[in-house]
Amino acid sequence: DTGVSQDPRHKITKRGQNVTFRCDPISEHNRLYWYRQTLGQGPEFLTYFQNEAQLEKSRLLSDRFSAERPKGSFSTLEIQRTEQGDSAMYLCASSFGQGDKETQYFGPGTRLLVL
Amino acid sequence: AQKITQTQPGMFVQEKEAVTLDCTYDTSDQSYGLFWYKQPSSGEMIFLIYQGSYDEQNATEGRYSLNFQKARKSANLVISASQLGDSAMYFCAMREDLNSGYSTLTFGKGTMLLVSP
Repeated sequence: DTGVSQDPRHKITKRGQNVTFRCDPISEHNRLYWYRQTLGQGPEFLTYFQNEAQLEKSRLLSDRFSAERPKGSFSTLEIQRTEQGDSAMYLCASSFGQGDKETQYFGPGTRLLVL
Repeated sequence: AQKITQTQPGMFVQEKEAVTLDCTYDTSDQSYGLFWYKQPSSGEMIFLIYQGSYDEQNATEGRYSLNFQKARKSANLVISASQLGDSAMYFCAMREDLNSGYSTLTFGKGTMLLVSP
C-alpha cells in the first residue's frame, strides 16, 4: 500500500540557502496540495494542483516559494533564500476529486529548520 | 473570525473511557464538509472521519463518531474506549462551497489528547 510520501523528512539549512522538497502522491490521485504547519498551529494551505495545473496559491506563498507538478505526478516545493520564519513542517496531501466526500490524504511531512 | 475553533488545548482521559473533542465552525455556505484528522508525534496527518453538511445521520467510523449539530455549527469528535495509541494531536477541518470544485481545507489549532493507563 503506497500512501503519500515526502522527501526529505527533515532538512536543516542556513539562512539564505535554497531548499527543495518532493512529494509523491497516491498514484491515482489527480489533486495535490501543499500546506505549512508551524508550532502550535493547524496546517495552512499554500497551493493546489489539479493534474499538472497549479490552480490556486495562498498569499502565504511569497515570491521566494515556487511549486511544480510536471506531468501531473510528483510535485516539488522550492524555497529560495530561506529565512528563519520559513522553519515549519511542510505537508503534502493528495486526493481524487469525487464530489463532496473528497478526502485529502497526507504524507509524513518535511520538517524544515532554518538556522 | 476563526473559521474553525477548537477550544480545548489539551484533554486527558483514562484508557477505555470515552472522550469528546470539541469543534465549532463558521461558514455561510450551505454545502460544506467537516473532517477530523489525527496527528501523532511522527507528524503525519491521519484521516479519521468525515461529515457532510447535508448528511442526515452522524458519521461513525469504528471507535470514532461525529456529533454533528448543524444549528449550533458544532462537529465534536467522540472517541469511545480510548486506547494508549490514541494519544496525539487532533485537528478539526472544514471544506467550504463543495459545489465550486475547489477543495482546500481550513484547520483549527488542534487539541492534544493524552490517554493514561
